[in-house]
Amino acid sequence: NAGVTQTPKFRVLKTGQSMTLLCAQDMNHEYMYWYRQDPGMGLRLIHYSVGEGTTAKGEVPDGYNVSRLKKQNFLLGLESAAPSQTSVYFCASSGGVHLSNQPQHFGDGTRLSIL
Amino acid sequence: GNSVTQMEGPVTLSEEAFLTINCTYTATGYPSLFWYVQYPGEGLQLLLKATKADDKGSNKGFEATYRKETTSFHLEKGSVQVSDSAVYFCALSDSGRAGSYQLTFGKGTKLSVIP
Repeated sequence: NAGVTQTPKFRVLKTGQSMTLLCAQDMNHEYMYWYRQDPGMGLRLIHYSVGEGTTAKGEVPDGYNVSRLKKQNFLLGLESAAPSQTSVYFCASSGGVHLSNQPQHFGDGTRLSIL
Repeated sequence: GNSVTQMEGPVTLSEEAFLTINCTYTATGYPSLFWYVQYPGEGLQLLLKATKADDKGSNKGFEATYRKETTSFHLEKGSVQVSDSAVYFCALSDSGRAGSYQLTFGKGTKLSVIP
């Protein structure tokens, strides 16, 4: 069972470079989320999507863009990477009848370092 | 806004000791509550959940009871094992903006169990 798959797992960028993180889920979930995890900060929501073709800002959206062209994929882009974006990025998805009590399913994370 | 406060770690216990990790929350409405666990190098996994007051979630020997009167959801386990060493996150979910069902996380508590 694949669940939520994130690529790549590791990446090192130079300041100013751009890149895209890919998240794919095979559970037919409507909702998808991107978080970043920093030491002592827990997980903070960057952007989310409530369905194909929709995106919305979370708690810390600045410097990131997202797209949800297909239901199963949710892309996170960094247009001009900055050292402050060094973090571990997690994608998650959720779905089901009673969304308020459905857990989110997480990928294994992408460890991104910006030099 | 919503918030989750959990005890800061790290917590170090001997094998077979009793574990309590405190979690309190602030939320409007009636959130669902979750405990997630993150093992080293992995993403978050759902450990247990409770969706209404007085519900008890349980899994793998861990338990937590949704206490509305004290706005708490403390995690307990009677006898910890070395394999329980991980970071534990308390989280709440509500409908949020546009029915997004966002998760609000605590900052995490690192547990180390020594033989």
